[in-house]
Amino acid sequence: QSVLTQPPSASATPGQRVTISCSGSSPNIGSNTVNWYQQLPGTAPKLLIYSDDRRPSGVPDRFSGSKSGPSASLAISGLQSEDEADYYCSSWDDSLSGPVFGGGTKVTVL
Amino acid sequence: QVQLHQSGPGLLKPSQTLSLTCAISGDRVSSNSLTWNWIRQSPSRGLEWLGRTYRTAQWYTEYAVSVKGRITISPDTSNNQFSLHLGSVTPEDTAVYYCAGGLGSLRFWGPGTEVSVSS
Repeated sequence: QSVLTQPPSASATPGQRVTISCSGSSPNIGSNTVNWYQQLPGTAPKLLIYSDDRRPSGVPDRFSGSKSGPSASLAISGLQSEDEADYYCSSWDDSLSGPVFGGGTKVTVL
Repeated sequence: QVQLHQSGPGLLKPSQTLSLTCAISGDRVSSNSLTWNWIRQSPSRGLEWLGRTYRTAQWYTEYAVSVKGRITISPDTSNNQFSLHLGSVTPEDTAVYYCAGGLGSLRFWGPGTEVSVSS
């Protein structure tokens, strides 16, 4: 069981918006920033969002992150076929003294 | 741009020691700008952080509770790389192992090494 809780799947048609939730608790999301990773099939995870809502250079502004209390969200607007991937949230956990991950959400473009 | 290149065997027998190396280009393992991490991914355990090494005024190494006692992560400044050693492996350690670099987040990832533990 992952420390952070994500829905296993999400889907939408091209051009629509999809939102992925990530639920944690006070030692992790409640006290630390959240990062999001995108993993395309057969590849390593790629940093998508860091420090709750910041995008690394090269990540389209269709991807946005937010956080409220012990929960966070990733939104993908204007969904495109190349966005089909697994998405993982992550945060430092003060009790475990290391980063923890969600179980991942598979996004399908219908 | 930082790039990470992984090497090491992918097939082990139970009780053996897993040894992987991550070579760094574009930065120094001894720089105080990034931490150097090992993460694994399996269907049963998902993404699991194993530990990290980094240098500020001195070298630090931190390990996940789940593997403490079996794991060693070491920097190699001469070859600008860092390594993972995981002892007494069991089939539960079968996973894809990634090295990654970052500060606060894991910005740079190696391609991954598939490791299988089987008798």
